[in-house]
Amino acid sequence: QQQVKQSPQSLIVQKGGISIINCAYENTAFDYFPWYQQFPGKGPALLIAIRPDVSEKKEGRFTISFNKSAKQFSLHIMDSQPGDSATYFCAGGTGGFKTIFGAGTRLFVKA
Amino acid sequence: NAGVTQTPKFQVLKTGQSMTLQCAQDMNHEYMSWYRQDPGMGLRLIHYSVGAGITDQGEVPNGYNVSRSTTEDFPLRLLSAAPSQTSVYFCASSLLQGFQETQYFGPGTRLLVL
Repeated sequence: QQQVKQSPQSLIVQKGGISIINCAYENTAFDYFPWYQQFPGKGPALLIAIRPDVSEKKEGRFTISFNKSAKQFSLHIMDSQPGDSATYFCAGGTGGFKTIFGAGTRLFVKA
Repeated sequence: NAGVTQTPKFQVLKTGQSMTLQCAQDMNHEYMSWYRQDPGMGLRLIHYSVGAGITDQGEVPNGYNVSRSTTEDFPLRLLSAAPSQTSVYFCASSLLQGFQETQYFGPGTRLLVL
């Protein structure tokens, strides 16, 4: 049973374009939705996060959109750069700690 | 401040062998967790701990044991290694900042079970 479903598996975007990654969750007890970025050979690092009482959060070029009724949320990367090429994971957390991850999206930004 | 450290970086085991993956953090975080990462499956939670002496199971706990005798250390033990446990293992520690949980991940241990 996959509690957090993420799509697409991989994504190729031109430099300067918008990268969009989507996630859907099943567990309505989730109260925290982070996105993590992982470069090859490294551990994941927190990128941005949102709570379910907020519909959108923006930090620099990264925006999370959240739709509580549809149980969906997405990451938008504006003005995508080659340095953004990495694997991105969405996740859902309960009680501020027990985090369940999606399967990941490999993003490649073409120069 | 080293953050989260993991040893070893790489390990090869034979089926049936046991071993312990070490994890330590120097940030005085209460919460620590172990994940395994497999291609196409993201990170799956194995075990977690909310403080010294307290542990609980995650999504995929079978074949693994943990203990938390100190705040700093959270070792993961493979009791009898199986090829299905070939994976990359990440340890993480968590700090609650207001509502936001910030998990800090270690660099990972690559495990190959033959």
